[in-house]
Amino acid sequence: EPEVTQTPSHQVTQMGQEVILRCVPISNHLYFYWYRQILGQKVEFLVSFYNNEISEKSEIFDDQFSVERPDGSNFTLKIRSTKLEDSAMYFCASRGTSDEPYNEQFFGPGTRLTVL
Amino acid sequence: GQNIDQPTEMTATEGAIVQINCTYQTSGFNGLFWYQQHAGEAPTFLSYNVLDGLEEKGRFSSFLSRSKGYSYLLLKELQMKDSASYLCAVRAGLTGGGNKLTFGTGTQLKVEL
Repeated sequence: EPEVTQTPSHQVTQMGQEVILRCVPISNHLYFYWYRQILGQKVEFLVSFYNNEISEKSEIFDDQFSVERPDGSNFTLKIRSTKLEDSAMYFCASRGTSDEPYNEQFFGPGTRLTVL
Repeated sequence: GQNIDQPTEMTATEGAIVQINCTYQTSGFNGLFWYQQHAGEAPTFLSYNVLDGLEEKGRFSSFLSRSKGYSYLLLKELQMKDSASYLCAVRAGLTGGGNKLTFGTGTQLKVEL
């Protein structure tokens, strides 16, 4: 069964450093998302991406964040200068077209980011 | 904006039935999803409702009333492996657009012997 994959599974970084979180969405999907979940809190939307551009972003997704689809398979989230409060689990998700019965988003296993 | 409420915790007995409620206020409603999340893992899709009524999928059923802004997830024949967090999520916006999901805080279900 196709699945979303993410690397690394755990990233530890120093405050102020740049990190890049990588995702490989399901191959025929067209819509891509990043969410984050701070420990013990709810899953929060960061950004959605379609047709090589951001279609929506939340207030969390400020100038320190960027997304890119550098080739036909990868989808990345970059945090330019990490802060302590960026420590969270980051989930990538993808979905296909509205032709699919549920059009649900499929989530990857997540990258746990720890900022020291 | 969107607001989603669900109970924080529930406890039930193996073999029993449990109902997890979710209420929401949203603009541009375009479907309600239930996801299951085990600790430290990704959310996995359980069910989807966009029209009023009950959707059944094996041991899981989900109900939606759009006029009341209300949904529930029904789990039958509970098993120990059903111990997890159950996330209610609302999709807003037109199909084909960003269609972000807004999640509730999740209901932590504990299944006991």
